[in-house]
Amino acid sequence: QVQLQESGPGLVKPSQTLSLTCTVSGGSISSGGYYWSWIRQHPGKGLEWIGYIYYSGSTYYNPSLKSRVTISVDTSKNQFSLKLSSVTAADTAVYYCARDVYDSSGYSLYFDYWGQGTLVTVSS
Amino acid sequence: IQLTQSPSSLSASVGDRVTITCRASQGISSYLAWYQQKPGKAPKLLIYAASTLQSGVPSRFSGSGSGTDFTLTISSLQPEDFATYYCQQLNSYPSITFGQGTRLEIK
Repeated sequence: QVQLQESGPGLVKPSQTLSLTCTVSGGSISSGGYYWSWIRQHPGKGLEWIGYIYYSGSTYYNPSLKSRVTISVDTSKNQFSLKLSSVTAADTAVYYCARDVYDSSGYSLYFDYWGQGTLVTVSS
Repeated sequence: IQLTQSPSSLSASVGDRVTITCRASQGISSYLAWYQQKPGKAPKLLIYAASTLQSGVPSRFSGSGSGTDFTLTISSLQPEDFATYYCQQLNSYPSITFGQGTRLEIK
């Protein structure tokens, strides 16, 4: 059974960089066949896809966040990470990591496994 | 691509048949998934490729549609189905988007 677990600081100061890590267990990131995504949810609001990474290091980001987002992968630790720079209060949200299944064309099909989410608050 | 769900909220009773609609601002073929989210929990995948039921999901859930118009139907509501439902499109490469959600409440 695949499991994902987010970790990182729950409080980040404005203008600083938010850093989160997602640890995958029960399966190898290096096995291929999946993208590895970050999604966030503002308090009481809907879901916003941030971006994803393939085990090779190829990344794709939401255009609205692209200038501030970096997603990286560490296959030796079976982890992938999110960095979001120059944060403001508008970046306060629950951040989820998820496994993203894609089809033969390379298009994502669905997110089948999710972490439980971690609340990150941006405040001084 | 924008996704518009309707209704935004819905009150229904146990045993009711419920339909939620998701409309895409442009065609997305069948690259649409549906998720259920309960308070404080991560979303749970219900349907993918517009109409394929995820393993382990009860058969009272079904999905249909292609192009721009999609529906999620719950044939007979159960107490555990009261939650928020989201559609997700995965065809606007490389940006994935979600609908704004439909909150299903007990009448």
